[in-house]
Amino acid sequence: EAGVAQSPRYKIIEKRQSVAFWCNPISGHATLYWYQQILGQGPKLLIQFQNNGVVDDSQLPKDRFSAERLKGVDSTLKIQPAKLEDSAVYLCASSFLASGGRELFFGEGSRLTVL
Amino acid sequence: QQQVKQSPQSLIVQKGGISIINCAYENTAFDYFPWYQQFPGKGPALLIAIRPDVSEKKEGRFTISFNKSAKQFSLHIMDSQPGDSATYFCAAKSVGGSEKLVFGKGTKLTVNP
Repeated sequence: EAGVAQSPRYKIIEKRQSVAFWCNPISGHATLYWYQQILGQGPKLLIQFQNNGVVDDSQLPKDRFSAERLKGVDSTLKIQPAKLEDSAVYLCASSFLASGGRELFFGEGSRLTVL
Repeated sequence: QQQVKQSPQSLIVQKGGISIINCAYENTAFDYFPWYQQFPGKGPALLIAIRPDVSEKKEGRFTISFNKSAKQFSLHIMDSQPGDSATYFCAAKSVGGSEKLVFGKGTKLTVNP
């Protein structure tokens, strides 16, 4: 079974530039998550999708971050304009269902460095 | 506001020893407590999980102990091996609402040969 695919794996940009990350979840997984993991910290949820709809985006900095999940499959996370503090690993995860303590399957992440 | 407090931040254990990582929470709505293991350059992967209706769950060398009254849970790794060297995250999830998973800050475990 193919895992969660993310790209690019690494990205270096200047502050105020824009960047986009792509995620393809495990086939059949209805729920997709974007987490931000700053070095030395645990993952922090940015946004959670259930199929096409947003379930939770309470911690997404909406003035600069946006995310979409078209057709309930792939998702993109965009940052515009980037700030130095956005340097982190952006992890995409998916699960079969949101409820019932279902396991989250994570991709390998996209490491962003903002200079 | 950190909802799950994890300690220690780092841990060094000799091969064959016992590794113990502790977590504490405040939100009594949490009803699912997983531990995730993360190797460098990889995403976290589920290691073991427990619900609050049991006090202990064991899978191989890994055991979760859960104390509902104290709102604490811990991961015990018996006979620790160099291959167990990784960062471990405790997490918690509540029923209802978005049911989002909140993570502790992580413990970097090093098992020396």
